[in-house]
Amino acid sequence: GAVVSQHPSRVICKSGTSVKIECRSLDFQATTMFWYRQFPKQSLMLMATSNEGSKATYEQGVEKDKFLINHASLTLSTLTVTSAHPEDSSFYICSASPLGSAHYEQYFGPGTRLTVT
Amino acid sequence: EDQVTQSPEALRLQEGESSSLNCSYTVSGLRGLFWYRQDPGKGPEFLFTLYSAGEEKEKERLKATLTKKESFLHITAPKPEDSATYLCAVQARGGGATNKLIFGTGTLLAVQP
Repeated sequence: GAVVSQHPSRVICKSGTSVKIECRSLDFQATTMFWYRQFPKQSLMLMATSNEGSKATYEQGVEKDKFLINHASLTLSTLTVTSAHPEDSSFYICSASPLGSAHYEQYFGPGTRLTVT
Repeated sequence: EDQVTQSPEALRLQEGESSSLNCSYTVSGLRGLFWYRQDPGKGPEFLFTLYSAGEEKEKERLKATLTKKESFLHITAPKPEDSATYLCAVQARGGGATNKLIFGTGTLLAVQP
């Protein structure tokens, strides 16, 4: 149980284009989903928290107009990197917190490797 | 400010050589402390959640313990397949499911056969 998927697992795009990454909770409903990025040999950095049906909450320093988050249902959240640049190249990971959980644990997806050329 | 510090940054063990990883934390009211395992190029895999000082949890060769200031992840007789980065994270009280996890920088464990 508690499986989270991401799609795509790997994407290469040209500078200036936009890329959408999907995060799905496969066997549970998630009130809250989180988006992280991780640079090589570094820990996870929270980018934003999204709740189903409402606007995402972005961490300080994260541009909300560049990283668009949509949490359309209790099992799907998307992250769109708009006008991507090489410095946006990173490993993006989502997590989901099960609806009704008393413990607020987060289950992580396998990550998406974004390379901007 | 809520903070998590993990040590050592890297640890090399021989197969069968038991050891412990440390996670020190400061948080304004602990809701939970989480341990994850992360393999290269993959997302973190949930291992344990600890909620109160004195609590212990075990899974195969791993045992996690918690005090008011730190947590230890004990690895007994490790095998090469235990090689991974182990991440510790804390969650503060209040705010419900939107409470974010604050991660440490991890301990890279390498177990040699």
